[in-house]
Amino acid sequence: GAVVSQHPSRVICKSGTSVKIECRSLDFQATTMFWYRQFPKKSLMLMATSNEGSKATYEQGVEKDKFLINHASLTLSTLTVTSAHPEDSSFYICSATILYGGNTEAFFGQGTRLTVV
Amino acid sequence: AQSVTQLGSHVSVSEGALVLLRCNYSSSVPPYLFWYVQYPNQGLQLLLKYTSAATLVKGINGFEAEFKKSETSFHLTKPSAHMSDAAEYFCAVRKTTDSWGKLQFGAGTQVVVTP
Repeated sequence: GAVVSQHPSRVICKSGTSVKIECRSLDFQATTMFWYRQFPKKSLMLMATSNEGSKATYEQGVEKDKFLINHASLTLSTLTVTSAHPEDSSFYICSATILYGGNTEAFFGQGTRLTVV
Repeated sequence: AQSVTQLGSHVSVSEGALVLLRCNYSSSVPPYLFWYVQYPNQGLQLLLKYTSAATLVKGINGFEAEFKKSETSFHLTKPSAHMSDAAEYFCAVRKTTDSWGKLQFGAGTQVVVTP
């Protein structure tokens, strides 16, 4: 089956530093990748849509300069939280979609727990 | 605009009892509908999906859901709960015209299974 690997699974960083989270589709080339943020006991909030070789499309209210997304290849997208602050602490999840047989299916990474101290 | 509502943020069921999780959608055109399960500190796993084919959809782990257009619903059921079903469940919608696969999630329902 299609596997999406997200790394790291957990990260603790100091306030003011930047953190990079990787999302890789291991056995398929992803049409599109999405980045979500999940607050404790809350739903997933879509942050941005990422297509290879083009600028990410951010959802309203998401700071582009705070959350930098790079989609260098069809199998790798990265989310960099710049100048992190405690309020950026959250669970970040990526998904990669594949188009096959006229259907689009999304596969999710295992998530990254970011704690900013 | 489309939206999805999950009724009940928390459901407690006894082991062996019926599991029923409610999901209603709002959309000008019936969307594609999905149910995902999330275990603590993990990503989401697809349980089942409705993509305009059969209205009764069977998924993994004994779950099934029925699309009812007249009720704009896509409720998830499982006849007999197992301890391993304890998790967070999310209903999601996607526009049929969206080839990127952009999903909109409901608020989620936490399922607790008691012995």
